[in-house]
Amino acid sequence: GAVVSQHPSRVICKSGTSVKIECRSLDFQATTMFWYRQFPKQSLMLMATSNEGSKATYEQGVEKDKFLINHASLTLSTLTVTSAHPEDSSFYICSAMIQGVYNEQFFGPGTRLTVL
Amino acid sequence: GQQLNQSPQSMFIQEGEDVSMNCTSSSIFNTWLWYKQDPGEGPVLLIALYKAGELTSNGRLTAQFGITRKDSFLNISASIPSDVGIYFCAGDMSGYALNFGKGTSLLVTP
Repeated sequence: GAVVSQHPSRVICKSGTSVKIECRSLDFQATTMFWYRQFPKQSLMLMATSNEGSKATYEQGVEKDKFLINHASLTLSTLTVTSAHPEDSSFYICSAMIQGVYNEQFFGPGTRLTVL
Repeated sequence: GQQLNQSPQSMFIQEGEDVSMNCTSSSIFNTWLWYKQDPGEGPVLLIALYKAGELTSNGRLTAQFGITRKDSFLNISASIPSDVGIYFCAGDMSGYALNFGKGTSLLVTP
């Protein structure tokens, strides 16, 4: 159980276009999902916390108007990179949280975004 | 978020050797987690630690939650080629967002 999927796994786009990445919890519901970004040979850096039915909470330095997050259901959060530029090329990873005595995060397989 | 200091940055060992890596923080964490990430994949949880002083094993892996709550280590015994990957520690203060270390890249030669 506790499987998280992401779609697409890879995307290549032209500079200036927008790209949507989906994160789904397949066998559980998640009121909270997280979006991370990982540059080559770097660690995972939290971009934002996605809350079902409310606005996302963004980390300092992350532009909310550029990285649009929509958590419309308990099993789906989307990240849209608007007007993508080459510097947005990165590995985007989501996680979904199961709340309990100890909250657990389960990570998706990631989406490789390349902006030409 | 809080940056964790993870060491070593990389390790190159022979199959069968034991491995040890650790993470330290200037802040106290309520939870320490260890993940393994293969190239092009998301991180996979190896061990979760919830109490200061806790020592937990998962097969050949053993991890401990430091008594000061500011550090943790991960040991891998009798390494095998499939242990190759990047290992990340992560600390959790609030029960929500995770703070990740910079990772330890492990290479194992047969």
